[in-house]
Amino acid sequence: QTVVTQETSFSVSPGGTVTLTCGLTSGSVSTSHSPSWYQQTPGQAPRTLVYSTTARSSGVPDRFSGSILGNKAALTITGAQADDESDYYCVLYMGSGIWVFGGGTKVTVL
Amino acid sequence: QVHLVESGGGVVQPGWSRGLSCAASGFIFSNFGMVWVRQAPGKGLEWVAFIRFDESLTYYADSVKGRFTISRDNSKNTLYLEMNSLRAEDTAVYYCARYGAAGGTYYFDYWGQGTLVTVSA
Repeated sequence: QTVVTQETSFSVSPGGTVTLTCGLTSGSVSTSHSPSWYQQTPGQAPRTLVYSTTARSSGVPDRFSGSILGNKAALTITGAQADDESDYYCVLYMGSGIWVFGGGTKVTVL
Repeated sequence: QVHLVESGGGVVQPGWSRGLSCAASGFIFSNFGMVWVRQAPGKGLEWVAFIRFDESLTYYADSVKGRFTISRDNSKNTLYLEMNSLRAEDTAVYYCARYGAAGGTYYFDYWGQGTLVTVSA
């Protein structure tokens, strides 16, 4: 069974840049997986950040950007701010109506 | 604006059933697919089920297939999740989300606040 992989945690300095990745235990991530990214703070519902690999959801600051890096999807935060401290999840479409989330990455800004 | 409100959560005994609802407003409900996503305490997100806008197609995660049923009533702008044979590992916050479409690709564009289901004796 293919698993979607994400880094467990990342630490970034205020104003710094961090790139989170979303991979597969078997194979490469491509745009056909429709990668999307979600931000979640404790006790809150997820917030949609990026969809269709690179498109930013309405109201999302342009410091968040999505891409394909090598064989993974990626979410880059450029100029991190304190309120970017959250959990970040990617999800991939695996075909046949099935979606699989990654385990999430906890980002700390300090 | 888009508004999704889940209800029906609570404490249920293992092996019992529970039904969840998600009331939608602010958009033409009958035009959009919908999904349920859950999150066990302290854990990550897990996609649970999908239903097409016209109810003609449903998909389920292997972890719930055969036990959970997703349905909708477009006349009531409401999404449902009927959960049977509940297990301790089904304990989670259950979110409904709209299945958005953009340029031929899909994603979960709007989310409700979730409802907690606790399976415990």
